[in-house]
Amino acid sequence: EAQVTQNPRYLITVTGKKLTVTCSQNMNHEYMSWYRQDPGLGLRQIYYSMNVEVTDKGDVPEGYKVSRKEKRNFPLILESPSPNQTSLYFCASSSDTPTYEQYFGPGTRLTVT
Amino acid sequence: GESVGLHLPTLSVQEGDNSIINCAYSNSASDYFIWYKQESGKGPQFIIDIRSNMDKRQGQRVTVLLNKTVKHLSLQIAATQPGDSAVYFCADPASGGSYIPTFGRGTSLIVHP
Repeated sequence: EAQVTQNPRYLITVTGKKLTVTCSQNMNHEYMSWYRQDPGLGLRQIYYSMNVEVTDKGDVPEGYKVSRKEKRNFPLILESPSPNQTSLYFCASSSDTPTYEQYFGPGTRLTVT
Repeated sequence: GESVGLHLPTLSVQEGDNSIINCAYSNSASDYFIWYKQESGKGPQFIIDIRSNMDKRQGQRVTVLLNKTVKHLSLQIAATQPGDSAVYFCADPASGGSYIPTFGRGTSLIVHP
């Protein structure tokens, strides 16, 4: 089954404790991205990647890191999480097709206390 | 920067009615749009797309209209069902030249039985 998976689905952590949210897709897509979703603000892009070893900042990259060492994986790293990073996070991927349709993961709900 | 946006945050309809969700965009160079549906607790899911060389595109119970003159597009859902209750986003996939969508804030469609 074609899908994007994220882990963990739920995470409660404390300020300053480094964490990684994993993202993996099995569709051989070149493009991957991370979004955060907050009430009243909609989906905002954090980082995206056009290909392996190619990443770029989205609209709200501060406090986040990403890496793209393999085509299928695109982890999101919070080196020192803060309460304002409490949010719902989505990973997505898309292929180099005319539609640029994005396939989204199920989301990771992160709470930083 | 230029972005897409939705007119109304919430739309309530009766089951069986037709629903119309509107979206305005500001980038006159935008030539491709996608509508996504996000059900509670899930990631967004592709519904339908439209290119600027079209005024109308139909899917199963959904129709998207594009008016390039006033930079407006709409999503019409025929015979709305309770399962259509979700948040709907329009997106401009080519915004900023990244070919990864910028999303509007979304319209919450509530279908009353």
